[in-house]
Amino acid sequence: EAQVTQNPRYLITVTGKKLTVTCSQNMNHEYMSWYRQDPGLGLRQIYYSMNVEVTDKGDVPEGYKVSRKEKRNFPLILESPSPNQTSLYFCASSLAGYQPQHFGDGTRLSIL
Amino acid sequence: KQEVTQIPAALSVPEGENLVLNCSFTDSAIYNLQWFRQDPGKGLTSLLLIQSSQREQTSGRLNASLDKSSGRSTLYIAASQPGDSATYLCAVMITDSWGKLQFGAGTQVVVTP
Repeated sequence: EAQVTQNPRYLITVTGKKLTVTCSQNMNHEYMSWYRQDPGLGLRQIYYSMNVEVTDKGDVPEGYKVSRKEKRNFPLILESPSPNQTSLYFCASSLAGYQPQHFGDGTRLSIL
Repeated sequence: KQEVTQIPAALSVPEGENLVLNCSFTDSAIYNLQWFRQDPGKGLTSLLLIQSSQREQTSGRLNASLDKSSGRSTLYIAASQPGDSATYLCAVMITDSWGKLQFGAGTQVVVTP
């Protein structure tokens, strides 16, 4: 089944403890992207990747890192999480940047 | 900076009525516009994608139009059903930022039986 898989789905952690949210797609898509969704602010793009080893900042990249070492994986790294990074995070992929995007089911992060 | 607006924020209609959802954007230099559906606790599902050179796209009961010059897109859902209840979001990709998507806040739709 074609899908975008995020792990974990839920995580409660503490300020400053490094964490990684994994994202994997099995559709051989070139484009991948991370978003966060917050009440009243909607969906905002964090980082995106047009292809392997190519990443670019979205609108809210501060406090996040990404890497794209292989086509199927695009992990989101929070080196020193803070409470303002508490949010619902979505990973998405598409065949190319201008094609319809397929979304994962989301990761709910709570930073205490 | 591109601003994407969806009005109204919420909408309730009786089953069988046609739904009309609006999306407006401030910068007409867009590459494409997508409409998504989001169910509670779920990710987004792409419904329709309109390239900037197109005027509309259709899929089943869904029809989306695009008027770049006025900065507007409309999503029509014919003969609404309770299963259409969800939040609908539009997103634009602007031409000088390939790969970057700007989302509207969404319209929450409830279709009552």
